[in-house]
Amino acid sequence: DVKVTQSSRYLVKRTGEKVFLECVQDMDHENMFWYRQDPGLGLRLIYFSYDVKMKEKGDIPEGYSVSREKKERFSLILESASTNQTSMYLCASGTGGFGYTFGSGTRLTVV
Amino acid sequence: KQEVTQIPAALSVPEGENLVLNCSFTDSAIYNLQWFRQDPGKGLTSLLLIQSSQREQTSGRLNASLDKSSGRSTLYIAASQPGDSATYLCAVRLTGTYKYIFGTGTRLKVLA
Repeated sequence: DVKVTQSSRYLVKRTGEKVFLECVQDMDHENMFWYRQDPGLGLRLIYFSYDVKMKEKGDIPEGYSVSREKKERFSLILESASTNQTSMYLCASGTGGFGYTFGSGTRLTVV
Repeated sequence: KQEVTQIPAALSVPEGENLVLNCSFTDSAIYNLQWFRQDPGKGLTSLLLIQSSQREQTSGRLNASLDKSSGRSTLYIAASQPGDSATYLCAVRLTGTYKYIFGTGTRLKVLA
């Protein structure tokens, strides 16, 4: 089974901190994604990557950046965390015509 | 712009009932459609993937159908159980894109 692992289940950070969320997949998938999920707003795409060092903005990239130096790892970076970035963050990976596999999520609270 | 709608937003049924969850999308040029399940505070678990050339997919008590021309997919759950209680999300991938557009989900509660 494909495994997508997010490094932290819960994270509490202070306003203004630089935050790194890590995601690792073990099935050699080309495509990786970061979403955030908020009540009433559903899942919204932040960034995705279709190859190493390649990235594209999703629907809500402001305040975020990403890094994909190796195929299996896709990192989401909050340059200066703010309280409105408190959310559930979900990483996913996929390849070709197959669907997504999601990680278990990181619940980030910014205080 | 593709929009994905799921109705109803919430559903509560007694154990043993057969259920239909609905997903509608506005752009029929889809590559595939995926149904997910999400338990509270957890990630998404893939249930079924239907390619655009397929009409339906089955896995155990779950059956998903796809009608591209009408912009609809349904998820049928047979003989529901309390363990089926979760939020069910559908997601549509458009042709020529990598990303999925998600519906806001149907929150299902199956009562024992």
